[in-house]
Amino acid sequence: DAKTTQPTSMDCAEGRAANLPCNHSTISGNEYVYWYRQIHSQGPQYIIHGLKNNETNEMASLIITEDRKSSTLILPHATLRDTAVYYCIVRAGGLNTGTASKLTFGTGTRLQVTL
Amino acid sequence: KAGVTQTPRYLIKTRGQQVTLSCSPISGHRSVSWYQQTPGQGLQFLFEYFSETQRNKGNFPGRFSGRQFSNSRSEMNVSTLELGDSALYLCASSSGVRRETQYFGPGTRLLVL
Repeated sequence: DAKTTQPTSMDCAEGRAANLPCNHSTISGNEYVYWYRQIHSQGPQYIIHGLKNNETNEMASLIITEDRKSSTLILPHATLRDTAVYYCIVRAGGLNTGTASKLTFGTGTRLQVTL
Repeated sequence: KAGVTQTPRYLIKTRGQQVTLSCSPISGHRSVSWYQQTPGQGLQFLFEYFSETQRNKGNFPGRFSGRQFSNSRSEMNVSTLELGDSALYLCASSSGVRRETQYFGPGTRLLVL
């Protein structure tokens, strides 16, 4: 699975949009971009994933550049409860019944939402 | 659907003892993966089980083992505990048929004294 690079930390004011970047310049054609977050001492929470099109769900939006070498997770209206470490992970997708499901976590971005 | 559950949530053991942790996946999920999280090494993959078979293994010593039962519940065992085994142990489940999204449990925090 491709390696990702994220800023170590970011701050965001409550109510504003939080834009978390991720570089994955070695991503290959069948690799998806996944985002998880981990609030202190809890299990990682799935947020969103995508292949090449932009994706949106009730939690966030994922913008993937046309060359797929980077992406941005957008939390449209950050709240204090969004304070967490956000992990960007790339992994192969597709129908593959014999392949393991290993996720390779980097160090992530520590997002601090402030009043 | 109920989420992934892990028991116990907290555990204190002493060096040399062994420990067994349990994970119940989301109903219908057949794949269970285990991860170790420590401040120094971050989140690291231990192993994955699918249909009672270990499908992949991370780079951990043989003291770390696991198994999966026919109802997809999984256990992991750590023998001869060391201080460095103190960590948050996380389990994640997915359908396992394709590389579907993994959903994590709350973790078991193990402290080795």
